[in-house]
Amino acid sequence: LAKTTQPISMDSYEGQEVNITCSHNNIATNDYITWYQQFPSQGPRFIIQGYKTKVTNEVASLFIPADRKSSTLSLPRVSLSDTAVYYCLVGEGTDKLIFGTGTRLQVFP
Amino acid sequence: DAGVIQSPRHEVTEMGQEVTLRCKPISGHDYLFWYRQTMMRGLELLIYFNNNVPIDDSGMPEDRFSAKMPNASFSTLKIQPSEPRDSAVYFCASSTWGGQEAEAFFGQGTRLTVV
Repeated sequence: LAKTTQPISMDSYEGQEVNITCSHNNIATNDYITWYQQFPSQGPRFIIQGYKTKVTNEVASLFIPADRKSSTLSLPRVSLSDTAVYYCLVGEGTDKLIFGTGTRLQVFP
Repeated sequence: DAGVIQSPRHEVTEMGQEVTLRCKPISGHDYLFWYRQTMMRGLELLIYFNNNVPIDDSGMPEDRFSAKMPNASFSTLKIQPSEPRDSAVYFCASSTWGGQEAEAFFGQGTRLTVV
């Protein structure tokens, strides 16, 4: 499994754009990058996945540079309800689904 | 589909008692995962099944923990005897395929407190 590194925590204010970067230096050619979101007292929820360049959905955008050694999850104009832990997952070759420590995002009013 | 259903949502038990957690995965999903989450250790994968067969139980902490999946629509995680350090939130998840790229769907979790 490709090792991922994310900041432990981030703070933001309502209305700001939040960018969470994940490093995955040993990503393999066939690996996709997947992000999950976990609200307090709930299980993680799949939010976005990408392979290269940019992916956008109703929740977030995912930016992946050409070398794919990192990726950035972008949350536009966050609100209090975006307070959650965000997990970056990379790697295949096994059926396991392993979560790291994630990034704890706290949004303030 | 109602999603992954776990029961009970909350469980309080005394040390030494047997605890059984239940999970109903999403219909058609071939993979089922059991996790434990605590503040100290984060989200730990305990065991996972593929087509009702346990594939990897290396995350099960001790012999006191056991998991079964008698059919495609039901799985249990049993702790016998329970100890205070087993207190955690236990999540069940299912997906159509395995691995880090799977879109896994999680249940609401069971908050276990062992006193």
